[in-house]
Formats: sequence, structure tokens, C-alpha cells
Amino acid sequence: SQQGEEDPQALSIQEGENATMNCSYKTSINNLQWYRQNSGRGLVHLILIRSNEREKHSGRLRVTLDTSKKSSSLLITASRAADTASYFCATETGAQKLVFGQGTRLTINP
Amino acid sequence: GAVVSQHPSWVICKSGTSVKIECRSLDFQATTMFWYRQFPKQSLMLMATSNEGSKATYEQGVEKDKFLINHASLTLSTLTVTSAHPEDSSFYICSARDLGRTTGELFFGEGSRLTVL
Repeated sequence: SQQGEEDPQALSIQEGENATMNCSYKTSINNLQWYRQNSGRGLVHLILIRSNEREKHSGRLRVTLDTSKKSSSLLITASRAADTASYFCATETGAQKLVFGQGTRLTINP
Repeated sequence: GAVVSQHPSWVICKSGTSVKIECRSLDFQATTMFWYRQFPKQSLMLMATSNEGSKATYEQGVEKDKFLINHASLTLSTLTVTSAHPEDSSFYICSARDLGRTTGELFFGEGSRLTVL
């Protein structure tokens, strides 16, 4: 079953610009994670934010979490062509399994 | 970092045959592994949770007799697609959590693309 809805489904920006992707979910969570997937490959973990955290940074990545609105955002600053990929949010509930959102296909144009 | 190896990376088979996909945690032990299915340009759908030494837990709507899961050791889980048909063609991805870490992320294999003719 799907829990997360991501917005936008696709995003195309120029290199150097910032990219923002949003994720909404339905049930209470332990944490929310963001993953990246290059075409035809496995997923790579980017960042995890716990339900009691509001913001987290990792390099050019900034993640926010608003549990009252059941939403999260991923910001990639100073985008590069190599950031082109699909990005998925995933929520973890008490069952320890991750349920993924629909994903955002990000294209960075050189 | 923790590495999950998945094999084969792609397989083509005839309708009616069975296909086995292996998922190995190379440098950590995993009592639990997760199997996902992904259609083109879509999200990952959790199929089942593989538990070492016990039966897998299947998600609603996933046929357990169709998708056989075996987790015989702390580093190996297998998914067998039995009597495969063209509608089973998909990208199958496994993942595992390194219990030696407190960070909680999943580590994914590179996926197996199954094409059933």
C-alpha cells in the first residue's frame, strides 16, 4: 500500500538552481527517509529525519518535517547535472517497514 | 557502508518457468530483508518481509504461492517467482537493515529486472 504522495511528479530545472520536492503521508510515523534512484538502479539512502525532529541538513540537502501537516520537503541546493534521478520519500511506522511515496523525477539541465 | 548484493541483475525467461532471485548482505547480518517490486516510472511496492528462520510476511494482495521467499541464513534471502507469466515482468529490489547501525536506513540491492516472454 502507498502512504506517501509526492509533489511534483516531475521537475526540470537549470544547473545551479535549487530543487524542492514535497511529500505528504497519512499515518503516524517513527521517521521519514529520502532515497535517490538512478534509472534502472537500486535506491541510495540520502537522509533520515525522526518524528521529533523538524529539520535536518546533509551537505547540499535540507529536509524538513511537519508532523502536524504530515508533510516533508527535500531541498537540494546548487543543483548539479549528476543530481538527475528519481527521489522518493519513505515513511517508517511501528512495523519497521518502509512505505514509499510515488517519487519525483528530477532533471537538471546543464 | 553496508552492501547488499542482488543476483541476477537481469533475467529473461519463458512463460511457465520459475525464476530465483538472490539477495545477500555482504558485510552485515540481516534478520529481516524486504522485497519490493517496481513498475516502470512508478514507486516501489512492498511485497513481503523476509524473516530469517521463519515464514515471510506478505503484503495484502501478494500471492505467497506465486512469490516464494526463503530466508535461510542471516545473509541470504531468495525470492522465487513460480510459473512466471508476462505480467510478472518487473523490477524486483531487495533491501535490508544493518542492525549494527542505529541510523535506521535501508540498504538496497541493485535490483533484478525480470522479463517473461
